Amino acid sequence: EDQVTQSPEALRLQEGESSSLNCSYTVSGLRGLFWYRQDPGKGPEFLFTLYSAGEEKEKERLKATLTKKESFLHITAPKPEDSATYLCAVSGGSYIPTFGRGTSLIVHP
Amino acid sequence: DAGVIQSPRHEVTEMGQEVTLRCKPISGHNSLFWYRQTMMRGLELLIYFNNNVPIDDSGMPEDRFSAKMPNASFSTLKIQPSEPRDSAVYFCASSPDRGRQETQYFGPGTRLLVL
Repeated sequence: EDQVTQSPEALRLQEGESSSLNCSYTVSGLRGLFWYRQDPGKGPEFLFTLYSAGEEKEKERLKATLTKKESFLHITAPKPEDSATYLCAVSGGSYIPTFGRGTSLIVHP
Repeated sequence: DAGVIQSPRHEVTEMGQEVTLRCKPISGHNSLFWYRQTMMRGLELLIYFNNNVPIDDSGMPEDRFSAKMPNASFSTLKIQPSEPRDSAVYFCASSPDRGRQETQYFGPGTRLLVL
């Protein structure tokens, strides 16, 4: 059974204070690891897909990295508008994605 | 493209009533997913369709839940009879499904409250 564990559950940062979110996973034959952002009252919004260990992707202040056991979402010099819940999901042999519980990020001005 | 469309956005009903949630996926997407999200359990997959055919419904809680996809542009999730524990946000998502695991695009969700 595929499993995804995200840490920390909640994170409070000051504007400009860089940090990282962790997504640890176990999956039989990784097909893809996904990062989503979810704002209150909205559906998850796609950020990145990573397919193999060593892969990295960037978007504005966000950078996602992938190893064989975990993924990190690095947030550089965050702004208040980066406040959201960040969800990680993995897809393995079944093609059915398994989601983590998410990390709730609050960035204070 | 308008994205994934869900209706209604909010639904308040009484225990025992039938509830029907609707979803229009992104045109051209072959896969459709229904999820339920609660504070306690997070995001749970209920059912997955590919080319209008249910592929995996192992996440459907019980016989009170049913889902259909009569064509490529429409799907319903029905709860009959509804119970207070069904209160949650229900999301529909679609995916292009080009043979490699593809990104899912989520709708805005239906917030269901069963009294």
